[in-house]
Amino acid sequence: AQSVAQPEDQVNVAEGNPLTVKCTYSVSGNPYLFWYVQYPNRGLQFLLKYITGDNLVKGSYGFEAEFNKSQTSFHLKKPSALVSDSALYFCAVRDGGRGSTLGRLYFGRGTQLTVWP
Amino acid sequence: DTAVSQTPKYLVTQMGNDKSIKCEQNLGHDTMYWYKQDSKKFLKIMFSYNNKELIINETVPNRFSPKSPDKAHLNLHINSLELGDSAVYFCASRPTGVNTEAFFGQGTRLTVV
Repeated sequence: AQSVAQPEDQVNVAEGNPLTVKCTYSVSGNPYLFWYVQYPNRGLQFLLKYITGDNLVKGSYGFEAEFNKSQTSFHLKKPSALVSDSALYFCAVRDGGRGSTLGRLYFGRGTQLTVWP
Repeated sequence: DTAVSQTPKYLVTQMGNDKSIKCEQNLGHDTMYWYKQDSKKFLKIMFSYNNKELIINETVPNRFSPKSPDKAHLNLHINSLELGDSAVYFCASRPTGVNTEAFFGQGTRLTVV
């Protein structure tokens, strides 16, 4: 069964410090991994995705994510956090197996990131 | 030029009423979805359509009925609303392909009183 775990409900970091939001996944086929961000009272916005290739994926707003197959992880990172990065972050996975072209995204429960000045 | 638009943005209604939420996407995508986000922010897929055909139908009460008149529209009709239906409902779309990302609407906050 496909699943995503975000072990931290909340991450707090000071502005200017590096941030990491953790995500681990479980799929039966090749994983297709995504990060989304949700600002208050808004829809989800796509940040970045891992398909194949380089394990370090760069995305919007200076975010990047590192895919680690052996640890089945896809942690979101940013070298220097901004107060405006404060939002709810969701990791999601799509199974690359049969039927995946029409397949659903499995979301983690979300991690609330707070960056304080 | 909103890519995925939902109406209404807010919906307050009484128990037992029937209501609809509309969704339209102008991205030319083949697949559309309805997701429900509960009070704890957990996102759960409800339905998925591909070219007007129902593809995914999760365990959702049959009071919820999606309708896709064409591939750019996916509406959600809810009969006999209950307090537990209060949530934010998101429409999303994406092009067919395993590596494509979904684009989400702004959400409809449904409050049943």
